[in-house]
Amino acid sequence: DVVMTQTPVSLSVSLGGQTSISCRSSQSLVHSDGNTYLYWYLQKPGQSPQLLIYKVSNRFSGVPDRFSGSGSGTDFTLKISRVEPEDLGVYYCYQGTHYPNTFGAGTKLELK
Amino acid sequence: QVQLKESGPGLVQPSQTLSLTCTVSGFSLTSYNVHWVRQPPGKGLEWMGRMRYNGDTSYNSALKSRLSISRDTSKNQVFLKMNSLQTDDTGTYYCTRVGYWGQGTLVTVSS
Repeated sequence: DVVMTQTPVSLSVSLGGQTSISCRSSQSLVHSDGNTYLYWYLQKPGQSPQLLIYKVSNRFSGVPDRFSGSGSGTDFTLKISRVEPEDLGVYYCYQGTHYPNTFGAGTKLELK
Repeated sequence: QVQLKESGPGLVQPSQTLSLTCTVSGFSLTSYNVHWVRQPPGKGLEWMGRMRYNGDTSYNSALKSRLSISRDTSKNQVFLKMNSLQTDDTGTYYCTRVGYWGQGTLVTVSS
């Protein structure tokens, strides 16, 4: 199974600040169809996860441009700029290229 | 609009079988994959399995021997069945399509 390693486990950030989360996969996430099925989710307390980024760098509908995804192969990054209170929660990377699909262990974003 | 909603028993006895239903609206099961994901209390997300748009299924390696996913396209429903439940199967169970999640249903395994 593909192991998704997220770092750091937790982050402390000031409102208005910028931060990034890393996600590394144990094997390339490039699918045979040429797409890379790497997603980023945010789970706010008491809520279902919500999709932020799909296929590495595409923002889902309604997601502000403060969120950006990048990377390729096995190494991916989510950047959050101008952090707002509603950005707090746990961020997960997820790969849909290989079965079984797998999630990273999560990164908790807190206020400094 | 796209919606998914999980339903099922909130309490299951150890060694018994869990049966959950995901009822979807706003899209066709023959056009999109639907996944099941679970989350133990206070822990991370675990992908359980998937019903593909064409009826194929895939399962988490660790759960494969206990898990079955099926569907009824006429009722817009996807089903999860998992047997031999233990206390560490307690958690919130979600059905999801890319971009959309159900509210989740809490399943407690206890006698």
